[in-house]
Amino acid sequence: NAGVMQNPRHLVRRRGQEARLRCSPMKGHSHVYWYRQLPEEGLKFMVYLQKENIIDESGMPKERFSAEFPKEGPSILRIQQVVRGDSAAYFCASSPQQDDYGYTFGSGTRLTVV
Amino acid sequence: DAKTTQPNSMESNEEEPVHLPCNHSTISGTDYIHWYRQLPSQGPEYVIHGLTSNVNNRMASLAIAEDRKSSTLILHRATLRDAAVYYCILRDMYSGAGSYQLTFGKGTKLSVIP
Repeated sequence: NAGVMQNPRHLVRRRGQEARLRCSPMKGHSHVYWYRQLPEEGLKFMVYLQKENIIDESGMPKERFSAEFPKEGPSILRIQQVVRGDSAAYFCASSPQQDDYGYTFGSGTRLTVV
Repeated sequence: DAKTTQPNSMESNEEEPVHLPCNHSTISGTDYIHWYRQLPSQGPEYVIHGLTSNVNNRMASLAIAEDRKSSTLILHRATLRDAAVYYCILRDMYSGAGSYQLTFGKGTKLSVIP
């Protein structure tokens, strides 16, 4: 049973480009959570999605960031017009239900904006 | 939000037990105590959780003080692969966002000496 798969592992973008980060949850998991870890900081919650629904996006920056989890395919975190401050590790986690005790995290995507 | 306090770093010799402390003096009655760890260049990994009673699993043990204001994660025999940042997190499983948003602090960086 494959774990949470994130790709790419590393992504380099120039300022102003778009970044698309993909997350395939574990089989049977329909809840996805995205977190961001800035250099030397703890992980911060960004958004919680279920299939075709955004449940809570209170941690997402208001502009340039969006997330989706379509009926088919992986969850996508999209960052438009990236800036240097977006450089971070982005992790997604999945669970079979919201109140599951232990979330499974992927290995993350490390975004570098040059 | 209930907060946790952990030492910034700890060291242990290989094959010796490790006790990682966590203070959470403002814990509420419905907060569960969760521990995750993050190995270098990896996403967080669930370790263990508990509410009031001590807990054991294949990875570790969790000792919870009687007043629940502190807890200790116990690794019975540290190995080099246990070198990681360990996070103690409070999670209110009955409170909307508190049940699914994990609040990561700085954690304790555990170094294991061969």
